[in-house]
Amino acid sequence: AQSVTQLGSHVSVSEGALVLLRCNYSSSVPPYLFWYVQYPNQGLQLLLKYTSAATLVKGINGFEAEFKKSETSFHLTKPSAHMSDAAEYFCAVGFQGAQKLVFGQGTRLTINP
Amino acid sequence: DAMVIQNPRYQVTQFGKPVTLSCSQTLNHNVMYWYQQKSSQAPKLLFHYYDKDFNNEADTPDNFQSRRPNTSFCFLDIRSPGLGDAAMYLCATSGGGAAVGETQYFGPGTRLLVL
Repeated sequence: AQSVTQLGSHVSVSEGALVLLRCNYSSSVPPYLFWYVQYPNQGLQLLLKYTSAATLVKGINGFEAEFKKSETSFHLTKPSAHMSDAAEYFCAVGFQGAQKLVFGQGTRLTINP
Repeated sequence: DAMVIQNPRYQVTQFGKPVTLSCSQTLNHNVMYWYQQKSSQAPKLLFHYYDKDFNNEADTPDNFQSRRPNTSFCFLDIRSPGLGDAAMYLCATSGGGAAVGETQYFGPGTRLLVL
């Protein structure tokens, strides 16, 4: 079955530290990959997406993600965390032949001063 | 700015009293989605419209219905809300299906409280 796994429902980092949020998917065919961010009581905002162009994708707010086919991963990183990055992050996958996105369970990012 | 608008942002209803949530878009997208999101969970797709074609998810309760009178508007009707229907309801649009890599653009959501 097509699935998306985000390792770690909660991640806590210090301000200025590296942010790494993990996402793995199950598919033999490279899918379309998205990262969304959700702030409290708001909708989802697109951070970045991979659609088979460059494997390193740069997004908004200093985030980037690297598609690794051999590892079926699309981890999200940011070199230096800011307090404003505290939010819920969702990895989502559009599998070939499917009309809907499959979401990971989300990772809540907390930034410590 | 082109956007997805949801009204109201907060809705309080009574147990069993029908309620309608609305979504409008200025993106001229042909696909519109309704998601239910409960606390600390991922959004759960209820149904979507591809133009006028309605696509219901297999596990969406019959209590949930939807209407799309034109390209710009889409409504979510909950015929008899139960306490378990209290959630954030998110509307999203896209210019095509997820299978072709189209981005979904989300509205701010409507938080529904059932008393």
